Amino acid sequence: QQQVKQSPQSLIVQKGGISIINCAYENTAFDYFPWYQQFPGKGPALLIAIRPDVSEKKEGRFTISFNKSAKQFSLHIMDSQPGDSATYFCAATGHNFNKFYFGSGTKLNVKP
Amino acid sequence: DTGVSQDPRHKITKRGQNVTFRCDPISEHNRLYWYRQTLGQGPEFLTYFQNEAQLEKSRLLSDRFSAERPKGSFSTLEIQRTEQGDSAMYLCASSSGQGGNSQYFGAGTRLSVL
Repeated sequence: QQQVKQSPQSLIVQKGGISIINCAYENTAFDYFPWYQQFPGKGPALLIAIRPDVSEKKEGRFTISFNKSAKQFSLHIMDSQPGDSATYFCAATGHNFNKFYFGSGTKLNVKP
Repeated sequence: DTGVSQDPRHKITKRGQNVTFRCDPISEHNRLYWYRQTLGQGPEFLTYFQNEAQLEKSRLLSDRFSAERPKGSFSTLEIQRTEQGDSAMYLCASSSGQGGNSQYFGAGTRLSVL
């Protein structure tokens, strides 16, 4: 059973637009929710992360929105750039960080 | 470069052979994770070490897979009697366990089982 469900599978956005990627989880014991960016041939790199005690976290052009009651969180990329074209993964883990569950990924293509 | 290092980058083997991968984490990181990633999917957790202790292991992991982290430094992942279904990217990540526990990933070892 997939612990973290991610959508959409792929996304095409015009340069300057907003990219939105959504994730949902079931396990209420999850305590930390990171987002990763992965380019071809590279390992994932941490972008931004949030804990469930806040509803939003912003770092530069990247914002996480978190809805604890709905058990959903999303990544917003403002002013999307062609260099943002990559695959994005959401993930979740419990308070001891012993095991991370990843979503299936969203391939983002930002058109110039 | 003091990031996470994985060796080899690519491995081609025949079905039934044993393979071993190595991961060198960032030097001060006491947490080390192994993941498997297939094309078009997210990383799938395999196992977790805190220092030299293996504290978590995926129930999905066949007993053909074993991992070690002697002395809490580098780690090895061995796959015995490889099968075609083992073909994947094997990723290693490390973290210091401080603050937000940011995981730093290596570039991975791509395994192809013929």
